[in-house]
Amino acid sequence: AQSVTQPDIHITVSEGASLELRCNYSYGATPYLFWYVQSPGQGLQLLLKYFSGDTLVQGIKGFEAEFKRSQSSFNLRKPSVHWSDAAEYFCAVMAIQGAQKLVFGQGTRLTINP
Amino acid sequence: DTGVSQDPRHKITKRGQNVTFRCDPISEHNRLYWYRQTLGQGPEFLTYFQNEAQLEKSRLLSDRFSAERPKGSFSTLEIQHTEQGDSAMYLCASSLVRSSYNEQFFGPGTRLTVL
Repeated sequence: AQSVTQPDIHITVSEGASLELRCNYSYGATPYLFWYVQSPGQGLQLLLKYFSGDTLVQGIKGFEAEFKRSQSSFNLRKPSVHWSDAAEYFCAVMAIQGAQKLVFGQGTRLTINP
Repeated sequence: DTGVSQDPRHKITKRGQNVTFRCDPISEHNRLYWYRQTLGQGPEFLTYFQNEAQLEKSRLLSDRFSAERPKGSFSTLEIQHTEQGDSAMYLCASSLVRSSYNEQFFGPGTRLTVL
């Protein structure tokens, strides 16, 4: 069965500092990989996705993520965070076949210090 | 607004009552998914439709839950005899399946509180 682990439940960084959110997945093959962001009262917004090819993918809002097959990881990074980045971040996997339902991690809540 | 919409946004009900939620997907999207998100957790898959056919249901979807998508357009999710454990955010997503990938677009969710 697929599973996603986000080891950090809550992270606090200062505005302007760099950010890395960790994500590890368990799946029999390479799945599709995603990062979503959820702000209070808002729906889930897709930040970026990985299917194949270049293991460093660029997303919206200055985010990027790197797929490392050997570590089954898909960590999200941003060089310099802004106060508006405070939100809940979810890593998710999707099987290539079948229902293609998303399997989410439990999320990492990001707090930004001014 | 051409995104996914859900109604109502909030619902407070008493234990034992029935509730129904509605999801309007993006026009022309042929797949529609329902997820449930409890406090402090990521969303969990409940069920999905390909056009009007319900193709898969999670074990999370007990007999008290029923979902429909008549005519392959909007969808409804009904919970009968609600329990306090049903309190959660119910998220709907739609997608247009082409080739081997479908990007799911999420609605704002319906937050259910069962007293």
